[in-house]
Amino acid sequence: DVKVTQSSRYLVKRTGEKVFLECVQDMDHENMFWYRQDPGLGLRLIYFSYDVKMKEKGDIPEGYSVSREKKERFSLILESASTNQTSMYLCASSPPGQGSNQPQHFGDGTRLSIL
Amino acid sequence: AQSVTQPDIHITVSEGASLELRCNYSYGATPYLFWYVQSPGQGLQLLLKYFSGDTLVQGIKGFEAEFKRSQSSFNLRKPSVHWSDAAEYFCAVGARNDYKLSFGAGTTVTVRA
Repeated sequence: DVKVTQSSRYLVKRTGEKVFLECVQDMDHENMFWYRQDPGLGLRLIYFSYDVKMKEKGDIPEGYSVSREKKERFSLILESASTNQTSMYLCASSPPGQGSNQPQHFGDGTRLSIL
Repeated sequence: AQSVTQPDIHITVSEGASLELRCNYSYGATPYLFWYVQSPGQGLQLLLKYFSGDTLVQGIKGFEAEFKRSQSSFNLRKPSVHWSDAAEYFCAVGARNDYKLSFGAGTTVTVRA
């Protein structure tokens, strides 16, 4: 089974801090994704990466950046955390395919609170 | 760009009763369609997917979904729900020329004894 591991289940940070959320997958997947999940809004894509050092903006990239130095690891960075970034963050990975036809495998999420 | 609408925010169903969750999508060509389930405190798990071919697809946990092009719908069904089916369900749509998925807002299912 594919395992996508997010380093923290719960995280509390202060406004203005630089926050790192880490995600590791063990199936050698090319594609990795970061989403945020908010009630009534579903999942919204922040960034995704289709290869090492490659990234593309998703629908809501403002205030975030990402890093993918190794194939198995995809980090989400909140440059200067703000209270409106309090949310559940989900990481996912998928193998290459024709567009989005490969199912994404999700981690258990990190619930981030910014005080 | 593709988009998904799940009209029902919350559904309550009795254990043993049937369940149907609605999903409508917007996309110009034949989409890739997915249903995911999220149990409390966990990530999303794939229930089933549709790419082409038979419009009735079977998934895990006894779920099935039917693709209806004329109605731009991909509704999820289960004939008899179990208490363990209480969860949030997400419909998602993807495209052949894009890695990204667009998710609906989700439907929360409560199962009463």
